[in-house]
Amino acid sequence: DSGVTQTPKHLITATGQRVTLRCSPRSGDLSVYWYQQSLDQGLQFLIHYYNGEERAKGNILERFSAQQFPDLHSELNLSSLELGDSALYFCASSVGLAGGDEQFFGPGTRLTVL
Amino acid sequence: GENVEQHPSTLSVQEGDSAVIKCTYSDSASNYFPWYKQELGKGPQLIIDIRSNVGEKKDQRIAVTLNKTAKHFSLHITETQPEDSAVYFCAASRTGAGSYQLTFGKGTKLSVIP
Repeated sequence: DSGVTQTPKHLITATGQRVTLRCSPRSGDLSVYWYQQSLDQGLQFLIHYYNGEERAKGNILERFSAQQFPDLHSELNLSSLELGDSALYFCASSVGLAGGDEQFFGPGTRLTVL
Repeated sequence: GENVEQHPSTLSVQEGDSAVIKCTYSDSASNYFPWYKQELGKGPQLIIDIRSNVGEKKDQRIAVTLNKTAKHFSLHITETQPEDSAVYFCAASRTGAGSYQLTFGKGTKLSVIP
């Protein structure tokens, strides 16, 4: 158990809908990273938050957004869902902002868009 | 940006044999190279990492080597066991203050045959 929690574990929805994925980092960790894992693309970095502020964006679509709250949990919002958004979504946390800090991954949320 | 290539994509070995997974990276400024193991239905878990100031690191049956000149690094697992069966990901990033995200290889599915 990494100490990172994600809810829900599974999510099934229809095209055009909007969903919210939730992540709680390990106690004491200030950074939260979001990743998308699909069969053909591997683990793709989406976005990084540190202590409530957005710090970096990767291959994140404009239909996706995220935020980190004062209690440090984070939410990833996916809207106008398409079939191709079906994937595993992981969050990871680390203690600080510096690159090279170990990232601890949650168990993931499996999103299926029908 | 950084690009990480990982080979092979699948690897089958007999129990007790060694397994080697290789990665190359493109950004010469990258200096942190972690390896993650992902078991079915779980998030990736860090198993070993290496930084650019060393050429090799060992932890029991697992070792990682780094050749900065050639920009490649490898994971070596000796005396493989069935519980080593999983998907392994290499990654690379810069380090230091600032948001440096991990760039992952596409993974190697290792199967250890009893």
